[in-house]
Amino acid sequence: GENVGLHLPTLSVQEGDNSIINCAYSNSASDYFIWYKQESGKGPQFIIDIRSNMDKRQGQRVTVLLNKTVKHLSLQIAATQPGDSAVYFCAEQADKLIFGTGTRLQVFP
Amino acid sequence: NAGVTQTPKFRILKIGQSMTLQCTQDMNHNYMYWYRQDPGMGLKLIYYSVGAGITDKGEVPNGYNVSRSTTEDFPLRLELAAPSQTSVYFCASSYSHNEQYFGPGTRLTVT
Repeated sequence: GENVGLHLPTLSVQEGDNSIINCAYSNSASDYFIWYKQESGKGPQFIIDIRSNMDKRQGQRVTVLLNKTVKHLSLQIAATQPGDSAVYFCAEQADKLIFGTGTRLQVFP
Repeated sequence: NAGVTQTPKFRILKIGQSMTLQCTQDMNHNYMYWYRQDPGMGLKLIYYSVGAGITDKGEVPNGYNVSRSTTEDFPLRLELAAPSQTSVYFCASSYSHNEQYFGPGTRLTVT
């Protein structure tokens, strides 16, 4: 909703630059990870996923990196655009999907 | 496909009132979920269902009930609304236990 992101960490990037959003996950048994994008007033939208048997996966303008040793996940957005402005959540799954608290991405011209 | 639809979009309840949040999906997904999202926070799982007739508690089930009589519908019931239930509620569905498709949300205020 419109209050999502009120107290969230914020990443500000200039249009055209690359963005890197980081996420630490908690459960070493998690075997599936997803990145979601949530625009103001809307539900989360799937961006990209990765399974624990991989350490990198690429989509269109997005790349997810998984480091199981330190339980760290990152989302890289290439050539960031104003339409990328949103709150980004990572989610980990062992038996259930658990969401992180999110990072707000602000893109300025 | 309409995807996941939720009604109502907004609702204001008085303390102690009850209501049902509706959720419908037209993707023939077996899995359905209810989450709540408080301001500045991530999503917390309330209840989920792996198929018609089967429901299970999530992380924060207290104060809520669900039913799953059909594949398409997964209503969430609040019996005695409390201010702590003021939140945005999202319903989601998935084909298997991974990528979830979310509805637009219901913003609920309990005063």
